[in-house]
Parts: sequence; structure tokens; C-alpha cells
Amino acid sequence: KQEVTQIPAALSVPEGENLVLNCSFTDSAIYNLQWFRQDPGKGLTSLLLIQSSQREQTSGRLNASLDKSSGRSTLYIAASQPGDSATYLCAVMIKAAGNKLTFGGGTRVLVKP
Amino acid sequence: EAGVAQSPRYKIIEKRQSVAFWCNPISGHATLYWYQQILGQGPKLLIQFQNNGVVDDSQLPKDRFSAERLKGVDSTLKIQPAKLEDSAVYLCASSLVGRPNTEAFFGQGTRLTVV
Repeated sequence: KQEVTQIPAALSVPEGENLVLNCSFTDSAIYNLQWFRQDPGKGLTSLLLIQSSQREQTSGRLNASLDKSSGRSTLYIAASQPGDSATYLCAVMIKAAGNKLTFGGGTRVLVKP
Repeated sequence: EAGVAQSPRYKIIEKRQSVAFWCNPISGHATLYWYQQILGQGPKLLIQFQNNGVVDDSQLPKDRFSAERLKGVDSTLKIQPAKLEDSAVYLCASSLVGRPNTEAFFGQGTRLTVV
């Protein structure tokens, strides 16, 4: 059974500092890993998708890496801004059982001005 | 391209009442997911469809929850009777059949409060 863990559960940083969010998973037989952002009371917004054959993916200030062999992904957000305050969730899509999507518990981020 | 549509956005009911949520996935997406997200936690998969067949419903409390996806398009999730612990956001998502670049798209969710 695939298990996805995100540590820490909460993170507070001053504006301008780089953010490093971690995601680990137990089963390396994945199609891909997605990072999502969730604002309070809202749905999920997809940030980045890394395919199983890729090592990293970049979009603006966001960079996500994937190490399938160790079951880890890291999301880096450069030069954080107060608008980056949100909950960040990672999810892995596994090959078995018709692309099941399993989520971690999320990291709640607060960027202080 | 239209996104995943869910309704209603909010619902307040008393315990032991019934409630239904509706989801319209992105056109052409064979896979449809229903998730339950309790405040402060990550989403938990309740049921996954591929076309109109159930792929995984291992975490669906079948004594009170039911879901269907008629004609492999729209889906309805029902709770009857509701309990206080069912208070959560119910998220619907859809995707194409699994490939390495398959992305899941989510609706805005339905926030259910059971009082």
C-alpha cells in the first residue's frame, strides 16, 4: 500500500527566505508526482507534475525534484512572498489499480512580511 | 477548456439527514475520483471510477456512503444518514487514463457541515 508523508506539517519563514518542502513515498512504481497548492476554503491548484522518468521540473520560482529510488520529492520556492502562504500537498499517481492518486498530509506554510 | 464542476459549494445538514453531491468531470476524462478532506488533513480517497466501473472503493464507508457514475460521465456521491464526523470538504477530480504525464484536475469542492 502506497503511503505518502510530508514533513514538516507546518512551516513559518520570513519573507524573502527560500522554502523547502519535503514529500516521501513508499512505493517507487509511480507514474508521476504532483505538487498542489490549497488556499483556505478552496480546492486544489496544480503547481508542478514530475513524470517518473524526470529528475526535476521548474515553473517560475518553483522547482521540484524527484528521486524515485529513495522515494523522495522536494519542492523549492525561491524568494518567498506573503502570497505564498498556503497549504502545499504532494500526491503520487501509481501504476497499479488504474492510476490511483495518493496524497500526503500537507505542509502548511506561513510567510511573514 | 472547462474544469471539473462540483455542486453545491456549501451544505449544512443535521445529523441523520441525507445529502448528495454532484460532479461533472472534464470532457473525455475516463478516471473520476472522490476524496474526503477533513480540516487539517490531506485528502483521503473514497472511491475511484474508470468510465462507469469502480476501480477502488476500499475506504468508502459503504453502510452510509454510496456513489455512482452513470454513462461514465457525471457522478453523484450520497451520504445517508450523515454523522457529525462526516463534516469535511468533498473533492472531485478527474484525469485521463494513467500515463506518466497524466495530470489530475480538481473541482472547488463541497464543504459539508453536519450539526
